[in-house]
Amino acid sequence: DAGVTQSPTHLIKTRGQQVTLRCSPKSGHDTVSWYQQALGQGPQFIFQYYEEEERQRGNFPDRFSGHQFPNYSSELNVNALLLGDSALYLCATEGPGDGYTFGSGTRLTVV
Amino acid sequence: AQSVAQPEDQVNVAEGNPLTVKCTYSVSGNPYLFWYVQYPNRGLQFLLKYITGDNLVKGSYGFEAEFNKSQTSFHLKKPSALVSDSALYFCAVRSGYSSASKIIFGSGTRLSIRP
Repeated sequence: DAGVTQSPTHLIKTRGQQVTLRCSPKSGHDTVSWYQQALGQGPQFIFQYYEEEERQRGNFPDRFSGHQFPNYSSELNVNALLLGDSALYLCATEGPGDGYTFGSGTRLTVV
Repeated sequence: AQSVAQPEDQVNVAEGNPLTVKCTYSVSGNPYLFWYVQYPNRGLQFLLKYITGDNLVKGSYGFEAEFNKSQTSFHLKKPSALVSDSALYFCAVRSGYSSASKIIFGSGTRLSIRP
């Protein structure tokens, strides 16, 4: 059984561009949370999706948006990229009776 | 609002010695506490959690953590450190064990074990 799968693993974007990151949850998991981890810092909560709706949101601007699909997979979209958006983006999924499981992350570099 | 503090950026320990990584928390209601470990360029791996019951929680790789409600602490411990324990450790808290509540992480403590 695959755990949480994130794609791509690495990518480089230019300032002002848009990016989409993807997350496939662990089998049986229906809740997806996204985190941003800047270098040397702890993960910061971006938002959480459940039943295809954004259920909670952290202190991130509207440039950060997301989506959850009927199969529970999720996308994180970031518009108008800034240099400060460079970070490791982590997806964590959760299901009934099973706690948070993290993916390996997507390393985004904005140049 | 919930928060987590890890007061030490780095902890250095000789192999074979006991280690402690400190964590204090603030949350309304019952706290649900976690420790995660992160190796370079990897996601977070679950070590252990406290939900209720015994204040001493045992987890993966010989780690344990002690919940202290009066001191609002949840320190991570291991009786005998290994060089392979060197990594970045994160304490996290959740207010309520429901997927509707988010998990908040501390800033991390880098554990370095010298041979």
